[in-house]
Amino acid sequence: DSGVTQTPKHLITATGQRVTLRCSPRSGDLSVYWYQQSLDQGLQFLIQYYNGEERAKGNILERFSAQQFPDLHSELNLSSLELGDSALYFCASSVVGLTETQYFGPGTRLLVL
Amino acid sequence: AQTVTQSQPEMSVQEAETVTLSCTYDTSESDYYLFWYKQPPSRQMILVIRQEAYKQQNATENRFSVNFQKAAKSFSLKISDSQLGDAAMYFCAYRSGETSGSRLTFGEGTQLTVNP
Repeated sequence: DSGVTQTPKHLITATGQRVTLRCSPRSGDLSVYWYQQSLDQGLQFLIQYYNGEERAKGNILERFSAQQFPDLHSELNLSSLELGDSALYFCASSVVGLTETQYFGPGTRLLVL
Repeated sequence: AQTVTQSQPEMSVQEAETVTLSCTYDTSESDYYLFWYKQPPSRQMILVIRQEAYKQQNATENRFSVNFQKAAKSFSLKISDSQLGDAAMYFCAYRSGETSGSRLTFGEGTQLTVNP
C-alpha cells in the first residue's frame, strides 16, 4: 500500500458526460501528479499540483482540468467524454525535494461507452 | 524532450533464474533520476528501484539491481532468483533533476513472464 488513495476504483459512463476522479496523497506529500495510461498512448503525464498551485502541465486536453484543495487532496475533472478517454488514471504524490520519488495510487479505471 | 525506450516488449524467465530488462534514454541533462516501476495484474504501479545519475554506484534492492551506464544512457534492471510474483509489466522512467517536482517520462514497458 503506497498510502495514496484514489476513488472511485471503476467508473463507467457515456460519451458526452462529465466525471470527477479524486486523489488523496500520502500524509505529508505536497505534490500531486496525474497520469493517464491507455493502450495506444502508454503512460502519460497530465498535470502536477504543488500545495494548491499548478506546477506543470503535460499532455492534458482542454476538456480536462484539475485542482488541489487546501487539505491537499486533488480532483481531476474530465468533461465531454469521448470513447478515447477510456483509460486508467493514476494519481501519484511526492514530498518536495530533488530526491523525491513519486508513489502511485491504485488508479481509477474509466470506461466510456 | 527526454525519451525513454524499452526495446523488449516481452521477456520470459524460469523461476529461480536471472533476467535482465533493458532501458535506454535520451537526454541532454546531466542531473536526473531513473526509476523502475512494476505493474502486476492488479495494475498498481509499484516502485522497484531508483538511481540518481550523480551516483556511480549501481542501486540494489534485495534481488533487484541496476546496471547504470551514464555515458551510454543505459539503465537495465536485473532480477535475480526470479519468483512467480515477479511476473508483471515493468516500466523504466526518467525524471529531470533540474527542477523539483518534475514529471516522470515512461518507456513503453516490458511484460515479464515467470515460468515455474
